[in-house]
Amino acid sequence: DAGVTQSPTHLIKTRGQQVTLRCSPKSGHDTVSWYQQALGQGPQFIFQYYEEEERQRGNFPDRFSGHQFPNYSSELNVNALLLGDSALYLCASSLAQGSHGYTFGSGTRLTVV
Amino acid sequence: QKEVEQNSGPLSVPEGAIASLNCTYSDRGSQSFFWYRQYSGKSPELIMSIYSNGDKEDGRFTAQLNKASQYVSLLIRDSQPSDSATYLCAATERDSGYSTLTFGKGTMLLVSP
Repeated sequence: DAGVTQSPTHLIKTRGQQVTLRCSPKSGHDTVSWYQQALGQGPQFIFQYYEEEERQRGNFPDRFSGHQFPNYSSELNVNALLLGDSALYLCASSLAQGSHGYTFGSGTRLTVV
Repeated sequence: QKEVEQNSGPLSVPEGAIASLNCTYSDRGSQSFFWYRQYSGKSPELIMSIYSNGDKEDGRFTAQLNKASQYVSLLIRDSQPSDSATYLCAATERDSGYSTLTFGKGTMLLVSP
């Protein structure tokens, strides 16, 4: 049973560029949440998708946007990259209806230069 | 604003000792609490969840919750060098897939042989 898969694993971008990160949830999960983890910090909630809609959003600017597809996979897009966007981006999947159970992917390490 | 506070550490203990990790949270509406272990450069791994006041034991790990004091702790008995990692405390306002995790910054644990 595949867990949460994220791609790519590492990425280097230049300031001002745009980036797209991808996530496939664990089989049977229908909700995807994205987190940003800067070095030495805990993960910070970006947003959550369910039924192809953004359900909740953390304190992140509109440069951060996302999408969920009918197969529950999700993308995180970041426009106009800043040096401060360098972080580990984590995707977590869960089942909306039912008891708690978050599964994290291995993350995408984004470096902005 | 919901906050989860942890000492950043490092907490250093000798092999075989008990490691005690602590966490406080600001939102009295928080219902579910989690401890994640994160090795350097890796994604968080759930090791314990606790929902009710009191203790919950799982192998060498014991989670303790005191909602009146808004305090959560994790005890690791017979600490091993392989336990050396950052431990993240997280809280949610309800136990469902719709909930989002609020993380602390994590406490680094170092277990010396």
